[in-house]
Amino acid sequence: IAGITQAPTSQILAAGRRMTLRCTQDMRHNAMYWYRQDLGLGLRLIHYSNTAGTTGKGEVPDGYSVSRANTDDFPLTLASAVPSQTSVYFCASSEKAGSTDTQYFGPGTRLTVL
Amino acid sequence: GQNIDQPTEMTATEGAIVQINCTYQTSGFNGLFWYQQHAGEAPTFLSYNVLDGLEEKGRFSSFLSRSKGYSYLLLKELQMKDSASYLCAVYAGDYKLSFGAGTTVTVRA
Repeated sequence: IAGITQAPTSQILAAGRRMTLRCTQDMRHNAMYWYRQDLGLGLRLIHYSNTAGTTGKGEVPDGYSVSRANTDDFPLTLASAVPSQTSVYFCASSEKAGSTDTQYFGPGTRLTVL
Repeated sequence: GQNIDQPTEMTATEGAIVQINCTYQTSGFNGLFWYQQHAGEAPTFLSYNVLDGLEEKGRFSSFLSRSKGYSYLLLKELQMKDSASYLCAVYAGDYKLSFGAGTTVTVRA
């Protein structure tokens, strides 16, 4: 089934630990995005990638890093997790960057940092 | 930064009509999206407006006025399954999608 998968579905993490959230899409979309969703704040862009090999910072990038080694995968890493990173994380993709293409979202990862 | 406002909550009766308003102030404008998000699930695409006017898609319609920085999503013949959050999102001049906080719609029998 075409779409976006994310792993893990949920995770409880001790503060200070390193964590990588995985995202894979099979739609051959060029652009990929990571958002966090917090109650009352809506979805906020963390990092994005316009195409394989390139990444950029979004609205709230501090404490997060990404890589885009190929078209399909776009992992998000928390180098040293803090409680304020407790959130629901959504990965999304769109056919091409710099356009108004529809973004399609993965099922999300619910992360709790204690 | 971008500013997108929508009401926090709305309640309506099954079979009724509900209108969710969205106002935006952004650096440039390249289009407006509405997404539906059921609790615990991913946002899913509902509609896209880039020109002024009404776009109709079955029970759902979306309206845009670029001069007023205003959009609304109209849900007709409400069903229980329409209970969800509805997210207004704008592509600003930098082609990054900015989201409102979402409007939670509760449909009562």
